[in-house]
Amino acid sequence: SQQGEEDPQALSIQEGENATMNCSYKTSINNLQWYRQNSGRGLVHLILIRSNEREKHSGRLRVTLDTSKKSSSLLITASRAADTASYFCATVGEETSGSRLTFGEGTQLTVNP
Amino acid sequence: GAGVSQSPRYKVAKRGQDVALRCDPISGHVSLFWYQQALGQGPEFLTYFQNEAQLDKSGLPSDRFFAERPEGSVSTLKIQRTQQEDSAVYLCASSLAALLGYTFGSGTRLTVV
Repeated sequence: SQQGEEDPQALSIQEGENATMNCSYKTSINNLQWYRQNSGRGLVHLILIRSNEREKHSGRLRVTLDTSKKSSSLLITASRAADTASYFCATVGEETSGSRLTFGEGTQLTVNP
Repeated sequence: GAGVSQSPRYKVAKRGQDVALRCDPISGHVSLFWYQQALGQGPEFLTYFQNEAQLDKSGLPSDRFFAERPEGSVSTLKIQRTQQEDSAVYLCASSLAALLGYTFGSGTRLTVV
């Protein structure tokens, strides 16, 4: 079963704008990860944030984590047409064996040139 | 190899047929996971290996699904007597260590007709 929910389910923006995607989860976590998936391809790991971290940056990506609200956000700044993809958050639970990932439903981002 | 390799890329099976899906993880990666992704959904956990030991198979949907990793590297996911609801993309992921990001393969798209 899916861990939580992502919103929006779909997001369409113009090139150069910022895109914000949100993720909520249900159980206590060890870390939360964001992945990107282009149509018909595998998932690409973007960024990992640990439960004791609040914010993390990687290039044009900014991730925040609020464990009190069990939520995370992914911000992509200065978006490009090549950023068009599905974005998934995934959690590793505190008591999960083997660090398995539990994924959300994903946000489909479309960046229009 | 440089990444996680899965084969075949596409598989069409007649209902009732057995199929075998192969995953070649990154050399040296201890952890290996299988996920099932239905169209428009996030991936769902199937099973987890640490080296050759299958430590968690709680996500396998029925006893028709079987996975193995006999020498701790290549893994095979076998589905017996396939049914239409087995149609999905099957993703394999590997990781060097727990609590790090995972590298996913491009997946095998299984269509049962």
